[in-house]
Amino acid sequence: GAGVSQSPRYKVAKRGQDVALRCDPISGHVSLFWYQQALGQGPEFLTYFQNEAQLDKSGLPSDRFFAERPEGSVSTLKIQRTQQEDSAVYLCASSLVSYTEAFFGQGTRLTVV
Amino acid sequence: EDQVTQSPEALRLQEGESSSLNCSYTVSGLRGLFWYRQDPGKGPEFLFTLYSAGEEKEKERLKATLTKKESFLHITAPKPEDSATYLCAVGGGYNKLIFGAGTRLAVHP
Repeated sequence: GAGVSQSPRYKVAKRGQDVALRCDPISGHVSLFWYQQALGQGPEFLTYFQNEAQLDKSGLPSDRFFAERPEGSVSTLKIQRTQQEDSAVYLCASSLVSYTEAFFGQGTRLTVV
Repeated sequence: EDQVTQSPEALRLQEGESSSLNCSYTVSGLRGLFWYRQDPGKGPEFLFTLYSAGEEKEKERLKATLTKKESFLHITAPKPEDSATYLCAVGGGYNKLIFGAGTRLAVHP
């Protein structure tokens, strides 16, 4: 596609509910990143994929967070048993070979009530 | 620990009033200094990458410069459409960006 596409754009979840956020990267991009952005803050790194391999998941805040990219293209970020502190915008980015030219999607705004 | 600090947090300018945004960083081995623009409700949009002290890059009314401890984003004769949040980031490790909190710029006619 023309850019990185994320869905849904907005998600309201009740506390304790599981959610799944989808990212369609730019076609052919090897690298894929997930970031979390709290209101008024800069994005914070969550995890990184090179093709289907998850090479860095050091930023995932807890074991409730899980990401996958099984075929090396579309990625899903799953959050189990959501908590209020999980409320944030989740950004996906992709790049051809490195983070230096990463293109971001518009993000998914998650609100946990 | 790698860290990025941006100042000011917010900046209000009149159209045509030039100014600069600051990004100071501490990093163990700089792997690039990045500037992004973010509009409300959208993801960050890439502007510049700088790699070494003394390097400068320009795009329309924006000019980014880099020293060993900080980077500046100079905005010359800004227009209302330049209003946005400007984010600075450094390359951390080989695969992640470490962002500052951003500077919210408002340019008024």
